[in-house]
Amino acid sequence: GAVVSQHPSRVICKSGTSVKIECRSLDFQATTMFWYRQFPKQSLMLMATSNEGSKATYEQGVEKDKFLINHASLTLSTLTVTSAHPEDSSFYICSASSGSSYEQYFGPGTRLTVT
Amino acid sequence: KQEVTQIPAALSVPEGENLVLNCSFTDSAIYNLQWFRQDPGKGLTSLLLIQSSQREQTSGRLNASLDKSSGRSTLYIAASQPGDSATYLCARGNTGKLIFGQGTTLQVKP
Repeated sequence: GAVVSQHPSRVICKSGTSVKIECRSLDFQATTMFWYRQFPKQSLMLMATSNEGSKATYEQGVEKDKFLINHASLTLSTLTVTSAHPEDSSFYICSASSGSSYEQYFGPGTRLTVT
Repeated sequence: KQEVTQIPAALSVPEGENLVLNCSFTDSAIYNLQWFRQDPGKGLTSLLLIQSSQREQTSGRLNASLDKSSGRSTLYIAASQPGDSATYLCARGNTGKLIFGQGTTLQVKP
């Protein structure tokens, strides 16, 4: 149980375009979803926390207008990188929690490359 | 400041050795402590979760301990195998948020 999927696993987009990444909890209801970013050889940095039906809470330094997060249902959250630039190239990982134990279940990640 | 530190950053051992990975955190008010494994280019695999009321958790050849008073957790890997080669991340949890350490990259040589 507790499977989280992400789609796509890899995406290449041109500078200035927008790209959407989906995060789904497949076998449980995720009251909270988290989005992380990981640069090469670095650790995961929390970008934002989203609760179903509420606006996401962004960490300091993360532009909410650039990284749009939607958590419209208990099984789906999306991260849209708007007007992407090469410096946005990174590995984006989502996680989901049912809230009862605060344990997070992680997706396999999405490799974004902006050319 | 909520910091999580992992030492060493990298470790290379011969197959069969027992080894210990260290994780320290500055705030003792934690809810849980998790250890993860990450293979290159992949997501995270949860290894062990220790709740704040617990002192250790075991799964197969892995044992993780938690000492809140000293702000430390260790991951013990017994009889290491080449397949254990990966980056190991610890993360401190507090009411839902996870703060990650930088990880220890382990190489087990056959």
